[in-house]
Amino acid sequence: EIVLTQSPGTLSLYPGERATLSCRASQSVSSRCLAWYQHKPGQAPRLLVYGTSNRAAGIPDRFSGSGSGTDFTLTISRLEPEDSAVYYCQQYDKSPRTFGLGTKVEIK
Amino acid sequence: QVTLRESGPALVKPTQTLTLTCSFSGFSLNTYGMCVNWFRQPPGKALEWLAHIDWEDDKYYSRSLKTRLTISKDTSKNQVVLTMTNMDPVDTATYFCTRVRSVETDMVLDYWGQGTLVTVSS
Repeated sequence: EIVLTQSPGTLSLYPGERATLSCRASQSVSSRCLAWYQHKPGQAPRLLVYGTSNRAAGIPDRFSGSGSGTDFTLTISRLEPEDSAVYYCQQYDKSPRTFGLGTKVEIK
Repeated sequence: QVTLRESGPALVKPTQTLTLTCSFSGFSLNTYGMCVNWFRQPPGKALEWLAHIDWEDDKYYSRSLKTRLTISKDTSKNQVVLTMTNMDPVDTATYFCTRVRSVETDMVLDYWGQGTLVTVSS
């Protein structure tokens, strides 16, 4: 199965700063099949981006995805306090769907 | 508005069978391209896919758990049920149900339930 490695494990930044989250796959993933999710404690995870760069409905444009092959990135251009969460990447190119371990974003 | 909610016991004993119900609204599992998948996340570990059921009643299971899992749907109640037999403490995890839908040629996981923590202990 495809292993996704996310880095860094934790990102601690100030409001207004730019966050860059990395997701590296153990083998090439179709750019149609890479998604990012936001998970806050006690809430349902939320789809942010699918197909590498397509924002889901209602997602602010400060969230953007990019990448190809084995390297993918989620960028949060201007952090806001409510962006504090764990962010997961997921591939759905090959079965089974797999997730990274997540990047925790902390807002100082 | 799409919502999913997991329900089931918070505590099960080793060797018992776990039955989890996913109650959903905002879509129908009779509609082309709609699916429900179950995942779990043990404490501190990665999310793991468990099972899939779709609008055509096709079912797929995790290869490593296939012999222990059964997934079924009741479209009249908008529910999907997952059973897992012979529970063990290593099965302690938060269990999530999710909606997966067809987007062009791909299957996008777009909605999650909040998850339900299941602890396996005597």
